[in-house]
Amino acid sequence: GEDVEQSLFLSVREGDSSVINCTYTDSSSTYLYWYKQEPGAGLQLLTYIFSNMDMKQDQRLTVLLNKKDKHLSLRIADTQTGDSAIYFCAEKESGYSTLTFGKGTMLLVSP
Amino acid sequence: NAGVTQTPKFQVLKTGQSMTLQCAQDMNHNSMYWYRQDPGMGLRLIYYSASEGTTDKGEVPNGYNVSRLNKREFSLRLESAAPSQTSVYFCASSEGRGETQYFGPGTRLLVL
Repeated sequence: GEDVEQSLFLSVREGDSSVINCTYTDSSSTYLYWYKQEPGAGLQLLTYIFSNMDMKQDQRLTVLLNKKDKHLSLRIADTQTGDSAIYFCAEKESGYSTLTFGKGTMLLVSP
Repeated sequence: NAGVTQTPKFQVLKTGQSMTLQCAQDMNHNSMYWYRQDPGMGLRLIYYSASEGTTDKGEVPNGYNVSRLNKREFSLRLESAAPSQTSVYFCASSEGRGETQYFGPGTRLLVL
């Protein structure tokens, strides 16, 4: 099966920028997603990018997609303690009915 | 609009007991999914229903059965629970096949 890989853990200070990285293997991915999971809660869709885009910006969030390297990143500007959560990258492959999720990156923001 | 709801929130079972996890969505979505989340394993797809009347196996279907009762509801059944099924179970729905998925709050299951 196709793989989605993420680093497990990232620690930043409040006010800094956070960059969470993700790599995927399927070149036919059509959509790539970022979900956020706060402790004890379900996954919340943060943003997504279509595979023919390089960048998408939404307030403090910037998604960058490098299709050649199959690399996706999520940048959070001015990170706040409320951003502490697990962030999941996911891809939708062309022709498939399901998403493939990475194992998640735990972001810890310290004051 | 409640989105995706799941019941129960928590459950403790003894090995060999059976139970059904319920999921409902009020977004008129066609597709529904069941995942389990375990530490270090991320989210793994158990079963999904691409449209009313159809169900398909995901990555880890063994020990589970599902029913797409109608467009709104998708239930997951454990016929004979095992400690390896201790996990957090999430239901999700999407408008179409593999499109943006919206998740429920989860059911935390402990099998002793």
